[in-house]
Amino acid sequence: DAGVTQSPTHLIKTRGQQVTLRCSPKSGHDTVSWYQQALGQGPQFIFQYYEEEERQRGNFPDRFSGHQFPNYSSELNVNALLLGDSALYLCASSSRGGGSIYEQYFGPGTRLTVT
Amino acid sequence: TQLLEQSPQFLSIQEGENLTVYCNSSSVFSSLQWYRQEPGEGPVLLVTVVTGGEVKKLKRLTFQFGDARKDSSLHITAAQPGDTGLYLCAGRREYQGGKLIFGQGTELSVKP
Repeated sequence: DAGVTQSPTHLIKTRGQQVTLRCSPKSGHDTVSWYQQALGQGPQFIFQYYEEEERQRGNFPDRFSGHQFPNYSSELNVNALLLGDSALYLCASSSRGGGSIYEQYFGPGTRLTVT
Repeated sequence: TQLLEQSPQFLSIQEGENLTVYCNSSSVFSSLQWYRQEPGEGPVLLVTVVTGGEVKKLKRLTFQFGDARKDSSLHITAAQPGDTGLYLCAGRREYQGGKLIFGQGTELSVKP
């Protein structure tokens, strides 16, 4: 049973560029959430996708956008990259059928470095 | 202001010692999860607690959810070097969907 997968593993971009990160959820899961984790910090919620729509959003600017595909996989796009966007980007999948417990399972992350 | 405060932030102990990590908030959570994260990897789910006063055990790890569902603790008995890592608590608040709010983490180092 494949867990959550993310690509690429590492990425180096220049300030002002755009980046796309990809995530495939765990088998049987239909909901994808994205988090940003700065060095030495806990993850911060960016947004969540379910049924191909953004359902919930954290305190991140519009430069951060996403998409969910019919097969439940998801993309995170960041435009006009800033040095402060350097972080580990984590994708988490879950199932709406999980009820009140609603456990989220994380992928290995994509390490983004902006120079 | 951190909604979930974890303490301590750093902990360095010898193999065989016991330790407790705390996760505190002034807000009520409908569920709380504990994760362990290795450097450069994603967090791995250890346990989920949903009922006030609930206690769950995972081998040498004991997790407790406060009666008022505002705090939680993780106790490790006879720590081993393999327990080394970043421990994160994460809560989901009622009526706020699937968003997880994380503490800043506790970096644990267990020396042989």
